[in-house]
Amino acid sequence: EIVLTQSPATLSLSPGERATLSCRASQSVSSYLAWYQQKPGQAPRLLIYDASNRATGIPARFSGSGSGTDFTLTISSLEPEDFAVYYCQQRSKRTFGQGTKVEIK
Amino acid sequence: EVQLVESGGGLVKPGGSLRLSCAASGFTFSSYSMNWVRQAPGKGLEWVSSISSSSSYIYYADSVKGRFTISRDNAKNSLYLQMNSLRAEDTAVYYCAREGGEYSYYFDYWGQGTLVTVSS
Repeated sequence: EIVLTQSPATLSLSPGERATLSCRASQSVSSYLAWYQQKPGQAPRLLIYDASNRATGIPARFSGSGSGTDFTLTISSLEPEDFAVYYCQQRSKRTFGQGTKVEIK
Repeated sequence: EVQLVESGGGLVKPGGSLRLSCAASGFTFSSYSMNWVRQAPGKGLEWVSSISSSSSYIYYADSVKGRFTISRDNAKNSLYLQMNSLRAEDTAVYYCAREGGEYSYYFDYWGQGTLVTVSS
């Protein structure tokens, strides 16, 4: 079973700063990697699919990169509404990483 | 507008059963694979089960295999999850989620979830 490990567990940043989130797979997932954002009390929202494709309506400040086992979600300049928990997900058995919380510093 | 509305959650005793439903609208339900994803209180996301558009392919997480059954009724635009032999660790918000395409893996639309609590 492929395990996704996200780091860091928590990222403390200020609005306007750049956020870099990591997701590492225990074996290659090619480019079959998606990213989601979840705010408290809400359902997750798809941000990125196939490692680097933005979903419909997602702002350009969100970008994804990587292939194989190492992936990155970058938020170029944090807006107040971006403080949330972010999850990566891969294709095999649809498994998720444990999440990275982006909190206000 | 795509909408997914879950129902059927509630409080159930260990060993009991519950059937969740997800009503879909705003898209051609019969063309998409559908999934259930759960989230225990304060925890991360856990994929539970998926079903292809015509019900030909069905998959389960090891944690629910043999206890949960996913099904769909394309005529009623509805997805179901029959949960038997429930355990305390099944306590979670259960989300219905649409896959982005017939052979995709990511979930482009989610319902708001229904809470299942397993407790005596």
